[in-house]
Amino acid sequence: DTGVSQDPRHKITKRGQNVTFRCDPISEHNRLYWYRQTLGQGPEFLTYFQNEAQLEKSRLLSDRFSAERPKGSFSTLEIQRTEQGDSAMYLCASSLAGTGNADGYTFGSGTRLTVV
Amino acid sequence: AQTVTQSQPEMSVQEAETVTLSCTYDTSESDYYLFWYKQPPSRQMILVIRQEAYKQQNATENRFSVNFQKAAKSFSLKISDSQLGDAAMYFCAYGGLSGGADGLTFGKGTHLIIQP
Repeated sequence: DTGVSQDPRHKITKRGQNVTFRCDPISEHNRLYWYRQTLGQGPEFLTYFQNEAQLEKSRLLSDRFSAERPKGSFSTLEIQRTEQGDSAMYLCASSLAGTGNADGYTFGSGTRLTVV
Repeated sequence: AQTVTQSQPEMSVQEAETVTLSCTYDTSESDYYLFWYKQPPSRQMILVIRQEAYKQQNATENRFSVNFQKAAKSFSLKISDSQLGDAAMYFCAYGGLSGGADGLTFGKGTHLIIQP
């Protein structure tokens, strides 16, 4: 297992288009998180899955955003009708439920989205 | 809600010298975790060091150590014998005990520059 993988690394899209990102967590991790990081800021929580269940969504996650984690493995984050304000780095992280926050998270390298 | 504040947007240190990055946080909880993450340019976020709030002893990891002052809600990171590879953004993060929907709350980061 090579860690948390995110695809693509970079995405440039025109305003109004839909985009989808993929995250493959560490295989034995049952918790998966999506964060958004804008320039000069720390990561901000978007949503969280335990296995296939989406248990929490931030108010940052507007109705144009949807996330799924079918079968509790990989996850996708879709943004519909992209806006320039959606330009950011989207980070995926995973952790093991039994440890709570004790071990922190393992992060992927992120998907950098640029909306033009 | 928990907040994390990093008051130093940028720090610069000579190679082989020691530097201290500051972090303060606010919480009403008595038990929690604190973390320092390193984010090199265009690379994934890596956990540097973590501290359990119920432990009085400051955590150390090789050249990295923390000064945890629970009453003052302060959690600074000391990097000894700074190396060029230490150049990165450093984020302080707070995590509740249970993880899950609590997630991690990050500060805005400190950009560390290492002068050769």
